[in-house]
Amino acid sequence: AQSVAQPEDQVNVAEGNPLTVKCTYSVSGNPYLFWYVQYPNRGLQFLLKYITGDNLVKGSYGFEAEFNKSQTSFHLKKPSALVSDSALYFCAVRDILTGGGNKLTFGTGTQLKVEL
Amino acid sequence: DAGVIQSPRHEVTEMGQEVTLRCKPISGHNSLFWYRQTMMRGLELLIYFNNNVPIDDSGMPEDRFSAKMPNASFSTLKIQPSEPRDSAVYFCASSLPLSGELFFGEGSRLTVL
Repeated sequence: AQSVAQPEDQVNVAEGNPLTVKCTYSVSGNPYLFWYVQYPNRGLQFLLKYITGDNLVKGSYGFEAEFNKSQTSFHLKKPSALVSDSALYFCAVRDILTGGGNKLTFGTGTQLKVEL
Repeated sequence: DAGVIQSPRHEVTEMGQEVTLRCKPISGHNSLFWYRQTMMRGLELLIYFNNNVPIDDSGMPEDRFSAKMPNASFSTLKIQPSEPRDSAVYFCASSLPLSGELFFGEGSRLTVL
């Protein structure tokens, strides 16, 4: 089965500094990887996805993610963090299902806290 | 578009009572997912529908849980009888097939006393 791991429960960073939220994956075949963000008391929101092509994927709100096949990683990055980026971030991998369609398997989430 | 609409947003009930959670997916999306989120277990996929047909219900915890999708614009998740360990936030999400980009509702926070 496809899976992703987020090794850090929480990441703290000062506003203006670069941030990285880590994700590693385990898949058979080509990976289809995603990042989602969840603000307090809200549903998850799509940030970006990697299907194929460039290893650096750009997404919403200035976020980007770097796909690294040799390290089986898909880390989320942002050059300059904002306090408003503070949220729960989920990495996910897509499973193609027999019978049609797909499902996403999410990691355990990483709480990002950006401080002044 | 109004997005995925879930109701109720909050539900407090007593153990043994029946709970029904409702979801209206985004028009045109024919994949629908029910997820449950808790501190202990994180985000778990309960069941997935494609074109109103349940494709994968392996995440449904037990027979007390059931889900239906009678048409493309409505789905329900029912718990009968409810137990305190069912307390969680239940999310509905929809997507186009094979997209991987899920659109989540705001969730239904269930508390079973």
